[in-house]
Amino acid sequence: EVQLVESGGGLVQPGRSLRLSCTASGFTFGDFAVNWVRQAPGKGLEWVGFIRRKRSGGTTEYAASVKGRFSISRDDSKSIAYLQMNSLKTEETAVYYCTRDEGGAETLWGQGTLVTVSS
Amino acid sequence: QLVLTQSPSASASLGASVKLTCTLSSGHSSYAIAWHQQQPEKGPRYLMNVNSDGSHSRGDGIPDRFSGSSSGAERYLTISSLQSEDEADYYCQAWATAIRVFGGGTKLIVL
Repeated sequence: EVQLVESGGGLVQPGRSLRLSCTASGFTFGDFAVNWVRQAPGKGLEWVGFIRRKRSGGTTEYAASVKGRFSISRDDSKSIAYLQMNSLKTEETAVYYCTRDEGGAETLWGQGTLVTVSS
Repeated sequence: QLVLTQSPSASASLGASVKLTCTLSSGHSSYAIAWHQQQPEKGPRYLMNVNSDGSHSRGDGIPDRFSGSSSGAERYLTISSLQSEDEADYYCQAWATAIRVFGGGTKLIVL
């Protein structure tokens, strides 16, 4: 089955770190860029960042709101992408989704993992 | 700056058709976009790409009741033969080299 599964969410205190994982199956993970998108409770979708496929350089881009605090990496041998989140803020409480990126369009979504930032 | 604008809400009757609009910001009228559906309490699902020439390509398993079109800087999603499960939030999404952008979403109510 073609799917993405996020994991690693949970409750974290403000200022602390958390790492999310996105595990792919059913397709050649290394052929695609991977995005992270978040959705705060009752709000719309917000792009967080993406990592290009290795043959496009494997480089990353981030939204201004997370640049310098969040980083994305990938391990194509395991079909996993990671989102490392540092210095988390309460307003970053959200469901975090990973997506498969085909030329810019996000053509496959995971089910999401909830991150709650609270003391 | 790449910005997408959507109306906050829309409504249509069961069995009817509805056309949702996504407007690209000035200078970006040649951009393609993608449409995504988010049903209540679920994650988003990719529906289709819509190009500036109006051509569109649906994702796997998306019924042909969903179609796309374009006019200038506007990109449209038309849903025909509305069903109750089409009641959802619909987001458009665009991209450039180093950025991905979402519209604010349109909440579709099926009457």
